[in-house]
Amino acid sequence: QQPVQSPQAVILREGEDAVINCSSSKALYSVHWYRQKHGEAPVFLMILLKGGEQKGHEKISASFNEKKQQSSLYLTASQLSYSGTYFCGTENSGNTPLVFGKGTRLSVIA
Amino acid sequence: EPEVTQTPSHQVTQMGQEVILRCVPISNHLYFYWYRQILGQKVEFLVSFYNNEISEKSEIFDDQFSVERPDGSNFTLKIRSTKLEDSAMYFCASSINREQYFGPGTRLTVT
Repeated sequence: QQPVQSPQAVILREGEDAVINCSSSKALYSVHWYRQKHGEAPVFLMILLKGGEQKGHEKISASFNEKKQQSSLYLTASQLSYSGTYFCGTENSGNTPLVFGKGTRLSVIA
Repeated sequence: EPEVTQTPSHQVTQMGQEVILRCVPISNHLYFYWYRQILGQKVEFLVSFYNNEISEKSEIFDDQFSVERPDGSNFTLKIRSTKLEDSAMYFCASSINREQYFGPGTRLTVT
């Protein structure tokens, strides 16, 4: 079951914040976040396991609400380098293939 | 920093021909995957490989496809009798502790 991402696209000015959501209708074991720039491979950002944890990576952090089967990616004080398409990939049980959402296109402008 | 490598970066082939896409996963990783991404669309799972055998495959991964780990380092995806709709970016990934790292991809163009 493909996770649903929202919004589909967002435009930010440098320094602004954004939240990208990923939700599933099925129970999740883990949520993985990737950023993909045009013509490049997806780059791993972070993984969140069930248990409702939160993680941070510089100014990018994420949370995982197991009850709501939803994860949110928080980008604070955005930089031009944050531009790209953000994908969430979900696992319904351990070591299973990732099912990716359709992505959220983030554009950061000066 | 170790990374997944893939060759070739771009492959052009005629419909009906066979292609082999090659990947060298990160050396201490145990799980290997092939994904594909049609231009402008989401990444789709094809197959996963663990302990020298396929552990899972998607509906896309039909008899036209096969994977192999011919030696201790390479991981290949073979597509027999390519079709126009096989044109896509093919990504290899390897994982440890559930973190999947993607290679740079092979762009396959079927004409």
